[in-house]
Amino acid sequence: QIQLVQSGPELKKPGESVKISCKASGYTFTDYAMHWVKQAPGKGLKWMGWINTYTGKPTYADDFKGRFVFSLEASASTANLQISNLKNEDTATYFCARSSTVAFDYWGQGVMVTVSS
Amino acid sequence: DVVLTQTPPTLLATIGQSVSISCRSSQSLLHSNGNTYLNWLLQRTGQSPQPLIYLVSKLESGVPNRFSGSGSGTDFTLKISGVEAEDLGVYYCMQFTHYPLTFGSGTKLEIK
Repeated sequence: QIQLVQSGPELKKPGESVKISCKASGYTFTDYAMHWVKQAPGKGLKWMGWINTYTGKPTYADDFKGRFVFSLEASASTANLQISNLKNEDTATYFCARSSTVAFDYWGQGVMVTVSS
Repeated sequence: DVVLTQTPPTLLATIGQSVSISCRSSQSLLHSNGNTYLNWLLQRTGQSPQPLIYLVSKLESGVPNRFSGSGSGTDFTLKISGVEAEDLGVYYCMQFTHYPLTFGSGTKLEIK
């Protein structure tokens, strides 16, 4: 069955970096785009951008340009999100989500990233 | 950016009651290819969002048919015909027509 399994929770200090992963299984990884979504504690969902899993080209929403990097390990069917120079406001749960041509059809379980001094 | 306004923010329902959630868009979600990319998601507490409906009214596989979606252009509705206990959580509409992709602010369904 199709699954997106994300890495575990992270506790970081301001200024540090974090890399979280999203491992896909049950389908051909390069056939579907991968998106990233942020959910701050108690808040709604915010789209961060997506990566073309065939070409590796990332596209970032305006609020996520600069410190955020989407990457792939295609041989391992894995998408990664790296955040550098962490700030308190980066504390959130980060989801990966596979997109068909019409919707997000599968989601990872989410990774809680806590930034605290 | 497309703003999706969901109402009501909170919905209190009894088991068996039918309820509706509205999602209004700041611009038309009709794509030039003729599709309207408006989706509905349910996020239960502590879980990732679960897709319910795509292309306004098409049910995702495994979603009970008490859920239905309707609408066009800028006005959309999710209806639950006969709420069940497992339906509690936060419902989000989401548009897939224009970049950046955007979500509504959510409607929390609580069971009396």
